[in-house]
Amino acid sequence: ILNVEQSPQSLHVQEGDSTNFTCSFPSSNFYALHWYRWETAKSPEALFVMTLNGDEKKKGRISATLNTKEGYSYLYIKGSQPEDSATYLCAPNAGNMLTFGGGTRLMVKP
Amino acid sequence: EAQVTQNPRYLITVTGKKLTVTCSQNMNHEYMSWYRQDPGLGLRQIYYSMNVEVTDKGDVPEGYKVSRKEKRNFPLILESPSPNQTSLYFCASRRTGANQPQHFGDGTRLSIL
Repeated sequence: ILNVEQSPQSLHVQEGDSTNFTCSFPSSNFYALHWYRWETAKSPEALFVMTLNGDEKKKGRISATLNTKEGYSYLYIKGSQPEDSATYLCAPNAGNMLTFGGGTRLMVKP
Repeated sequence: EAQVTQNPRYLITVTGKKLTVTCSQNMNHEYMSWYRQDPGLGLRQIYYSMNVEVTDKGDVPEGYKVSRKEKRNFPLILESPSPNQTSLYFCASRRTGANQPQHFGDGTRLSIL
């Protein structure tokens, strides 16, 4: 079982603040790194899938970077809004399975 | 509408009474999987299937069975449920390829008394 760590576990920010989270994973046998957004009472939704070292992806105010050599990925949210409140999950794919981290729970106060 | 459908959404049952949670996807995805989510433990993979008639154990397969007789369906079977299988279960599907995002169902909350 891969050791996937996400930090911080939870985060409270004010509307308009920019924030970032970290996902650390073993760099060996790496195929892809997934980020999912999981709102309360809903199911996880895919944000990004990154495969190459140095990959950067962006969707609106949310972006992510990937360092496969050192085994980490950052997720950035610019100008957080209350609707960004959710748990953000990362999951490396090192074969046929995804191994999810424990998630970062983001709460954005209006 | 492209979707993954799980049934039932909620179930309360008793120890030892066999149950099946169905999962169906309409996206012609080859890969399907089951996860359980428990507080403090995150999403853990139970079983997955790369294609019809091909299934493999995930990280926590004990007490579960699966089958993949058709491409669209991937039922999760609890032959003799126990209280430690009380959890929130998600089915997911994707196309072949590690870089393909997973599409999740809405979840099934099981309570085993």
